[in-house]
Amino acid sequence: SQKIEQNSEALNIQEGKTATLTCNYTNYSPAYLQWYRQDPGRGPVFLLLIRENEKEKRKERLKVTFDTTLKQSLFHITASQPADSATYLCALANQGGKLIFGQGTELSVKP
Amino acid sequence: DGGITQSPKYLFRKEGQNVTLSCEQNLNHDAMYWYRQDPGQGLRLIYYSQIVNDFQKGDIAEGYSVSREKKESFPLTVTSAQKNPTAFYLCASSPQTGQGGLNQPQHFGDGTRLSIL
Repeated sequence: SQKIEQNSEALNIQEGKTATLTCNYTNYSPAYLQWYRQDPGRGPVFLLLIRENEKEKRKERLKVTFDTTLKQSLFHITASQPADSATYLCALANQGGKLIFGQGTELSVKP
Repeated sequence: DGGITQSPKYLFRKEGQNVTLSCEQNLNHDAMYWYRQDPGQGLRLIYYSQIVNDFQKGDIAEGYSVSREKKESFPLTVTSAQKNPTAFYLCASSPQTGQGGLNQPQHFGDGTRLSIL
């Protein structure tokens, strides 16, 4: 069956460092991959989308890579700040147009 | 500002009771979705609708029902047949679904937390 895995353990890093979050998938050939941010008690907020033919996408301090051979996406936040602390979700779009979500990785940036 | 409004923020259900969660959007989006989120799990799709008066079951539709009588509204009813309703429920919308919607982000409301009394 289709499966999406994100780091289950929380990621704790120091302010100013680069945070790297991983999203792996199996039994799947997604056309698109999206990353969302979710704060406690709130709905997810869209951050970035990357297509299967794109290797990398950037937006300000955010960078996403998409390796269809490894079946993996990496999400980077450079010069991280305490305000970046949240749970980050990856989601894959299947051919039916529905999004399949990972369980999310909690990021904590300490001052 | 355009967005999605979910209400109530907190809801309690008694044994044998049906409860309805409200979702309204003013983004003029065609597609709307209901997800359930449990601790440590990804969002799971309950129902989705691509157009008014039409909706499809998602992965975990049992014990739930929906309607789409207006473009702006997509209420979710949690019936007494849903034996484990305690969860965080999220409503979302996107301009389209299907092949045309593959590259479109979904816009989410701030959820309704449902608990059993």
